[in-house]
Amino acid sequence: AQSVTQLDSHVSVSEGTPVLLRCNYSSSYSPSLFWYVQHPNKGLQLLLKYTSAATLVKGINGFEAEFKKSETSFHLTKPSAHMSDAAEYFCVVGIYNQGGKLIFGQGTELSVKP
Amino acid sequence: DTGVSQDPRHKITKRGQNVTFRCDPISEHNRLYWYRQTLGQGPEFLTYFQNEAQLEKSRLLSDRFSAERPKGSFSTLEIQRTEQGDSAMYLCASSLARVRRADTQYFGPGTRLTVL
Repeated sequence: AQSVTQLDSHVSVSEGTPVLLRCNYSSSYSPSLFWYVQHPNKGLQLLLKYTSAATLVKGINGFEAEFKKSETSFHLTKPSAHMSDAAEYFCVVGIYNQGGKLIFGQGTELSVKP
Repeated sequence: DTGVSQDPRHKITKRGQNVTFRCDPISEHNRLYWYRQTLGQGPEFLTYFQNEAQLEKSRLLSDRFSAERPKGSFSTLEIQRTEQGDSAMYLCASSLARVRRADTQYFGPGTRLTVL
């Protein structure tokens, strides 16, 4: 069965410092992996996706994630946090042989201190 | 491209009433998904359509829930005899499906249901 585990429910960083949001996945085949962001009272927005073309994936707003098959991880990073990055982040696995439905992690709330 | 829209954005109802939500996907997208998100949790899959065919339903979707997508365009999700446990954000997403890939899903703003 496919599943996603986000290792931190809450991460707090200072503005200008690096961000690391951790995600491990479980999949019986090469997965499609995504990171979505959800700002308060706004819809889910795609940050980036991995679909086996390249292990280092660059997304919007300076975020990137690295697919590591040996560690079954897909951690999200950003070199320098901005106040506007404060939001809920979801690591997601897509199940292609079940219509592409998405399995979401529990979410990581990112706080950015001035 | 106007994105995925959902109506209403908020719905407050009394226990036992029926409610219906509407989702309008991105126009050329052939797949449409419904998810439910409760407070502090990630969204959970409910059901999806490929064109007008409903191809999978989650065990979360009790027989009080029904979804339709007539003519493969907009979709409705109806909940009959609502219960307080149905209170949640109901999210709709659409994608342009390709064979053997989990394609990017674009989400609407959601309908927040409160059952009193």
